[in-house]
Amino acid sequence: AQKITQTQPGMFVQEKEAVTLDCTYDTSDPSYGLFWYKQPSSGEMIFLIYQGSYDQQNATEGRYSLNFQKARKSANLVISASQLGDSAMYFCAMREGWLSFGNEKLTFGTGTRLTIIP
Amino acid sequence: DSGVTQTPKHLITATGQRVTLRCSPRSGDLSVYWYQQSLDQGLQFLIQYYNGEERAKGNILERFSAQQFPDLHSELNLSSLELGDSALYFCASSVESGTPSYEQYFGPGTRLTVT
Repeated sequence: AQKITQTQPGMFVQEKEAVTLDCTYDTSDPSYGLFWYKQPSSGEMIFLIYQGSYDQQNATEGRYSLNFQKARKSANLVISASQLGDSAMYFCAMREGWLSFGNEKLTFGTGTRLTIIP
Repeated sequence: DSGVTQTPKHLITATGQRVTLRCSPRSGDLSVYWYQQSLDQGLQFLIQYYNGEERAKGNILERFSAQQFPDLHSELNLSSLELGDSALYFCASSVESGTPSYEQYFGPGTRLTVT
């Protein structure tokens, strides 16, 4: 089974609308972390938001929020009031294991290409 | 600017050759990760070093090797290059903290083209 699944290869959204990017994950590790990264056309990877498996509240960072539904193993990214500069590739990723214990693994999804329409 | 630097930005070489990619992590970060991003394989974790020691291995080919030096910079060596090794190679760094919410800061990447 895929560790990280992003089912939307591409999305078109009108400027100023909210957008939800889907991500489901699969792990048997009780301690894990979920990340979202943005990759604009320039190629760099930009960290957006992080959610830990034991976090009680959904993570928020400015216009970004992570809709974490642990029982459903889903970690959707919500971007409020989308802007033209949000057009990019978005990757969901999962960290399993711990850096301290030397068994950390990071797996990325295949990404969703988001295009914001003026 | 993430604070992670990678050189060179672009590299064009022929099949069978060997190249070295260099990464300097953010100041204070002890952990360095290498990733390969290609059109057919997506973004794949290759290898991780922490304070000079190898910590985790992902889908790294035997033709590839890496090391982290005492000054914490890292090098990824790719040998006997094949056309399929053409990809964007990212380095990322992070600092080990007491909580799991550490993010990885990515460098701008090195685009390798094998002809």
